[in-house]
Amino acid sequence: QLQLQESGPGLAKPSETLSLTCTVSGGSISTPNYYWGWIRQPPGKGLEWIGHIYYGGGTFYNPSLQSRVSISVDTSKNLFSLNLSSVTAADTAVYYCARQWMYYGLDVWGQGTAVTVSS
Amino acid sequence: DIQLTQSPSFLSASVRDRVTITCRASQAISSYIAWYQQKPGKAPKFLMYAASTVQSGVPSRFSGSGSGTEFTLTISSLQPEDFATYFCQQLNNYPWTFGQGTKVEIK
Repeated sequence: QLQLQESGPGLAKPSETLSLTCTVSGGSISTPNYYWGWIRQPPGKGLEWIGHIYYGGGTFYNPSLQSRVSISVDTSKNLFSLNLSSVTAADTAVYYCARQWMYYGLDVWGQGTAVTVSS
Repeated sequence: DIQLTQSPSFLSASVRDRVTITCRASQAISSYIAWYQQKPGKAPKFLMYAASTVQSGVPSRFSGSGSGTEFTLTISSLQPEDFATYFCQQLNNYPWTFGQGTKVEIK
């Protein structure tokens, strides 16, 4: 059974770069027809799609974050990563990684990791 | 960006009630809509795709319909485990966007 697990620091300081990793187990990240994405949810609010990557390296980002976000993939380690630069308190959220099945939806999710941006 | 507006935002219902949630898109998105269920402190769960196709393992009391700009998620007979927040998501145009959510609570 495919599982995704986020990891990374739970606290970041303003202006720093937030780095999170999603480790995929129970299946290969190099599977055609699936993208690997990041979604976040500020406390008490809705979901925001951040972006996704294909195992070949192609990426799509939310334009609202595009200047600060980078997603990369390491197929040898079966993981993908999120970098978000120049963070502010507005980036405080639970960050989820998920597998995206083509244009159908996010069918497998990690449990989420809470990140607080504070000095 | 395509805006998705869910109605209602909050719904109070009883077990065995029939519940319908609507998701309206700011422009036509064909049938590229997905629905998720989220319980407190948990990741969203993928319920439905392509507007009306129920994901494997999801109970048959869940159904979906719609195309273009208006979509519905229906729970035919609400069960205790269905009390949660439901989100729609469009996958027709980047960036993918979500509705604001509909919280279904026990009356």
